[in-house]
Amino acid sequence: SQKIEQNSEALNIQEGKTATLTCNYTNYSPAYLQWYRQDPGRGPVFLLLIRENEKEKRKERLKVTFDTTLKQSLFHITASQPADSATYLCARGRAGGFKTIFGAGTRLFVKA
Amino acid sequence: DTGVSQDPRHKITKRGQNVTFRCDPISEHNRLYWYRQTLGQGPEFLTYFQNEAQLEKSRLLSDRFSAERPKGSFSTLEIQRTEQGDSAMYLCASSWDEEGNEKLFFGSGTQLSVL
Repeated sequence: SQKIEQNSEALNIQEGKTATLTCNYTNYSPAYLQWYRQDPGRGPVFLLLIRENEKEKRKERLKVTFDTTLKQSLFHITASQPADSATYLCARGRAGGFKTIFGAGTRLFVKA
Repeated sequence: DTGVSQDPRHKITKRGQNVTFRCDPISEHNRLYWYRQTLGQGPEFLTYFQNEAQLEKSRLLSDRFSAERPKGSFSTLEIQRTEQGDSAMYLCASSWDEEGNEKLFFGSGTQLSVL
């Protein structure tokens, strides 16, 4: 089955440092991977999408990579701030498909 | 664009009762999804609509669960004879049916507690 695996341990970092979150997938490469942010008691909010043929995507302080050899995506937040503290979800989708499969998410805590 | 709206935000019910949740997607979106999320887990896919047609249901969705989207706009999710294991956050999302617009827009969810 298609799975998304994220580090279940929370990530604690100091303000100003770069946070790096890992997402691994099983079986065949998804057409794209997405990253969402989720705050407690709220629905996920879309952040970035990277396609299978793209190596890297950036948006402001966010960067995501897609390595089909390692079957992995890395999500970076540079110059992290306490307001970045949240759970970050990785999700896979397939071309023309509709069933987006989510990982369990990684909680990020940024200390001032 | 008023976002995806879900109602109610919270629902407490006794085991065996029926509950119904409503989702109003972003008006231009023709795809609508229901997900379920428990503490410490990611959203799990339940079902999907393209316009009014329900195109896929997860095996997680027992026959006690039914979803409708009668006019291709809002959707309802009903759970009959609720069980304690049904306690979760029920999330609705919508999206465009267009390559390049795969991102999902989620509502704030309905938190269900079955006592």
